[in-house]
Amino acid sequence: QLQLQESGPGLVKPSETLSLTCIVSGGSTSTSSYYWAWIRQGPGKGLEWIGSFDYSGNTFHNPSLKSRVSISVDTSENQVSLKLRSVTAADTAVYYCARHEFMTFHFDHWGQGTLVTVSS
Amino acid sequence: NVMLTQPHSVSESPGKTVTISCTRSSGSIASTYVHWYQQRPGSAPTTVIYEDNQRPSGVPDRFSGSIDTSSNSASLTISGLKTEDEADYYCQSYDSDNHAYVFGTGTKVTAL
Repeated sequence: QLQLQESGPGLVKPSETLSLTCIVSGGSTSTSSYYWAWIRQGPGKGLEWIGSFDYSGNTFHNPSLKSRVSISVDTSENQVSLKLRSVTAADTAVYYCARHEFMTFHFDHWGQGTLVTVSS
Repeated sequence: NVMLTQPHSVSESPGKTVTISCTRSSGSIASTYVHWYQQRPGSAPTTVIYEDNQRPSGVPDRFSGSIDTSSNSASLTISGLKTEDEADYYCQSYDSDNHAYVFGTGTKVTAL
């Protein structure tokens, strides 16, 4: 059964770079049928798609975050990574790693999420 | 950019039926699939309806989904409401013009 597990620092200072890793088990990241995505949820807020990436290098980002976001997939390690540059308190959120289907855009598997707080 | 608007909250007595709407701001609701997620406090979202009206295995048939092109909206209906259904529900679709995945604003369901 596919499982996703996010990891990374729980506290990041303003203006620094937030870096998270998602370890994928029970399945392969090198599949043409799926994209790997990051989604976040601020405290008491709704879900916000950050960006998606597939193993062949196709990427899509939320226009509101595009210039600050980097997403990559390491198929040898079966990991998905997120980097968000120049963070502010507004980037404080629970960050989820998820897989979604290429044709239907359905997020069918999610990690448990990891809380990242931006504070000095 | 496409927005999906949901009511902030809905409440009903256990055993009754609730319906949550998801209205698309631009482009046809039928242009791409709508999916629905349930999120309980402190947990990741899970799918209750995918591809407009399909139910994953393990989701009770009390949950159903539909789309209405006349109102450009999708709906999630929970019949025979149970206290265990209390959660936040989000619709989700795709904005093909901007290559962006869009979540609805979210609806809190309460069983009175």
